[in-house]
Amino acid sequence: NAGVTQTPKFRILKIGQSMTLQCTQDMNHNYMYWYRQDPGMGLKLIYYSVGAGITDKGEVPNGYNVSRSTTEDFPLRLELAAPSQTSVYFCASSYQGLGEKLFFGSGTQLSVL
Amino acid sequence: EDQVTQSPEALRLQEGESSSLNCSYTVSGLRGLFWYRQDPGKGPEFLFTLYSAGEEKEKERLKATLTKKESFLHITAPKPEDSATYLCAVYSGNTPLVFGKGTRLSVIA
Repeated sequence: NAGVTQTPKFRILKIGQSMTLQCTQDMNHNYMYWYRQDPGMGLKLIYYSVGAGITDKGEVPNGYNVSRSTTEDFPLRLELAAPSQTSVYFCASSYQGLGEKLFFGSGTQLSVL
Repeated sequence: EDQVTQSPEALRLQEGESSSLNCSYTVSGLRGLFWYRQDPGKGPEFLFTLYSAGEEKEKERLKATLTKKESFLHITAPKPEDSATYLCAVYSGNTPLVFGKGTRLSVIA
């Protein structure tokens, strides 16, 4: 059982480039989330989705976009990458509610230079 | 706005030296408090959920407790493999989980 799978694991971008971080889950979870983790700063919510076709902003959404066309996939798009977006990005999912335990992927380490 | 503060930021213990990690929170009606363990280079892994003051949960050398203002993660006779960052998160029913900054635990043999 794969759980939550994130690709790529590492990426280096130049300022102004764009990219998509991929996230897929095989647990038939309705809820999916994107968090970023900066050193010593904990996890901050970027976007989340309560089901296919429904997304909402979290605490730090600026510079990012998401879509949820299927239950399984929740890609995160970075447009015009900036050094402030250098971080580790985690995708997570939960079965039926915002207050349930989260299952996390292994993360994508992104550097913007 | 929900807020979570964890202390200490880092803790270094000798193997077998018991201690506690603290998670204090400010929420408008707590509906769940979560503890996660995160190993370097990996995503957080779920440990416990506590729902009401007075509740306790245990797993091996770990015990989590909850009061109306804070939660403690007690580590009894820790081993080097308990070294990790421990994250606390709260759910108040308004938004997804809000996380604290974590406590980085090192257990020295």
